[in-house]
Amino acid sequence: EVQLLESGGGLVQPGGSLRLSCAASGFTFSSYAMSWVRQAPGKGLEWVSAISGSGGSTYYADSVKGRFTISRDNSKNTLYLQMNSLRAEDTAVYYCAKDPGMTPYWYFDLWGRGTLVTVSS
Amino acid sequence: EIVMTQSPATLSVSPGERATLSCRASQSVSSNLAWYQQKPGQAPRLLIYGASTRATGIPARFSGSGSGTEFTLTISSLQSEDFAVYYCQQYNNWPVTFGGGTKVEIK
Repeated sequence: EVQLLESGGGLVQPGGSLRLSCAASGFTFSSYAMSWVRQAPGKGLEWVSAISGSGGSTYYADSVKGRFTISRDNSKNTLYLQMNSLRAEDTAVYYCAKDPGMTPYWYFDLWGRGTLVTVSS
Repeated sequence: EIVMTQSPATLSVSPGERATLSCRASQSVSSNLAWYQQKPGQAPRLLIYGASTRATGIPARFSGSGSGTEFTLTISSLQSEDFAVYYCQQYNNWPVTFGGGTKVEIK
């Protein structure tokens, strides 16, 4: 079955760190760019970060640049998001999303169910 | 960045009726526009890309149209499983941006 499964969310204090993972199955993971997209409670969708299929190119929204790092391990079919210096405004459900191309086409044809990150003291 | 504005925020429709959702871009995005459906507690699902191309497995009752700054998603005859929130997304300019969503609810 083609699917994405996120993990690693939880409650963290402001200024803290968290690493999200996304396990992919059912497709050739290394052939596709991947993104993280988040959704704050009751709000719309916000693209956060993307990485090419090879991992050689990465992209970040201005709101997370310098604080978040996207990476992937194609041998493990897993996408990661290292989140540092977390702020209350980073509270959201974080979705892992698959791009149709190896380099980003920038729309998303498969999404995971998401993992909730809550930044609060 | 390009601002995507969806209207209406909420659309009340009876099963079997047609639903028309609008999405406007603050500047031209050509045909680089996607639509997604999201049900409560679920991941978004790609419906349309390239403004009018249905994604794999999407029923023919879903259709997209438009180019430039004005786009429409039409659901020709609403089924019970279609009541959800719909988002448009432009991918013509970086960073990609989403609209605020239209909730389609049962009338």
